[in-house]
This record gives sequence, C-alpha cells and structure tokens, in this order.
Amino acid sequence: QKEVEQDPGPLSVPEGAIVSLNCTYSNSAFQYFMWYRQYSRKGPELLMYTYSSGNKEDGRFTAQVDKSSKYISLFIRDSQPSDSATYLCAFILTGGGNKLTFGTGTQLKVEL
Amino acid sequence: EAGVAQSPRYKIIEKRQSVAFWCNPISGHATLYWYQQILGQGPKLLIQFQNNGVVDDSQLPKDRFSAERLKGVDSTLKIQPAKLEDSAVYLCASSSSGQGTPLHFGNGTRLTVT
Repeated sequence: QKEVEQDPGPLSVPEGAIVSLNCTYSNSAFQYFMWYRQYSRKGPELLMYTYSSGNKEDGRFTAQVDKSSKYISLFIRDSQPSDSATYLCAFILTGGGNKLTFGTGTQLKVEL
Repeated sequence: EAGVAQSPRYKIIEKRQSVAFWCNPISGHATLYWYQQILGQGPKLLIQFQNNGVVDDSQLPKDRFSAERLKGVDSTLKIQPAKLEDSAVYLCASSSSGQGTPLHFGNGTRLTVT
C-alpha cells in the first residue's frame, strides 16, 4: 500500500464549479497536512496548511482533514480558469524533521 | 520577501556527463531542501540541510549525487555521471527551523539527459 494515494485526474470542470480534490494516507504519524498548487513550469506554492482534524477556510478554498479516516480534501468554490494547475497534497511526520511527503498530484483544468 | 532562487532554469546534457545546480534560499531560512520531481509524480526529497549540516540524505543516490551548503546559505547539487533516469525537475526549497514550518519552493531546474 502506498503511503499517500491521490486521485490521479486529470479533472476538467466548467468555470464556477465546485471542485473536490482528495488524498488518503496510511501513516497515522502524519501530523501536518498541506495542499500545494503547482502551475506549469513553476515550483509548488503553499495553498493551505493545517494540523488538526476539521475544516479550514481561506477565501474560495477549504481544506478538510479527517484523521480517523486518514483522508484529506481540498474544496475550491466558484472555480476560475486561473485555478488551472496541479494540486499536490503533502504531509509531515511527527518528529519527521520537517520532511514533506507528497501525493502524485491532480491536474485540474477550469474551462470558460 | 525575495523567494528561493535557482539556476539554471533548464539544462540538457548527455548521459555520463556531469551537471550542477545552484540554489539561494530565502534570507534567514536555516533549513534547505533539494527535491526531485519526475514528470507526473510528486516531489521526492533528496537531501535536507539544517544550516550547513545534513539532516536527511537517505534517498540521495550517493554514488552519483552530491550536495553541499557551504556557510549555511547557498547550496549546490551535483550529478556525476548522469543517467537517463535523472531527467527530472530539481526543486530547491527552504524553511525556517522547527517542526511543521511550511516549505517555500523555487521554480526548479529542468534537467534532460539524452
């Protein structure tokens, strides 16, 4: 079993749609949960960061963590063409020296 | 705040040649990371420095890859000799010290080995 599983995509949605991106993980020692956005030919950019179960909202973005089910999600409301990118979930272990473990990424395209 | 700077942006070499990448982290960030991102995959950690000391290099292919961070600021990553499977984007990141502090990435160096 892989340590992190991420929906492969690619995902294509119309502008204004609600997007749901998901990752499951197997390591119960993951303590910090992040979503990075990566535009083509750019480095990953931190989008959302949390360390507890529940929801965290920032503008059109909501990160959801369910530690009991080992499942994290990113929701994008009112999606825009500028949201077209690859979204990577990422995790840091308790006592793991701040090493990030990434999912494989989901490519999202928001069409006009 | 200036971001993480990397150079070159692109590099094409033949197999068995050598190549070096350079990274300048965000000012004041004690921790520096090199990640390898193969097309269609998430980034994978190669090496992590805390100041000028190595914290984790467990996934660095030490027979061909080397990295240094002299004076605890800039860093270079070298591959010698390169193999076809080294074709990837090499990302440098930096963070403040401490567990759970977010990483800030540069735009990477895209390496093609022919």
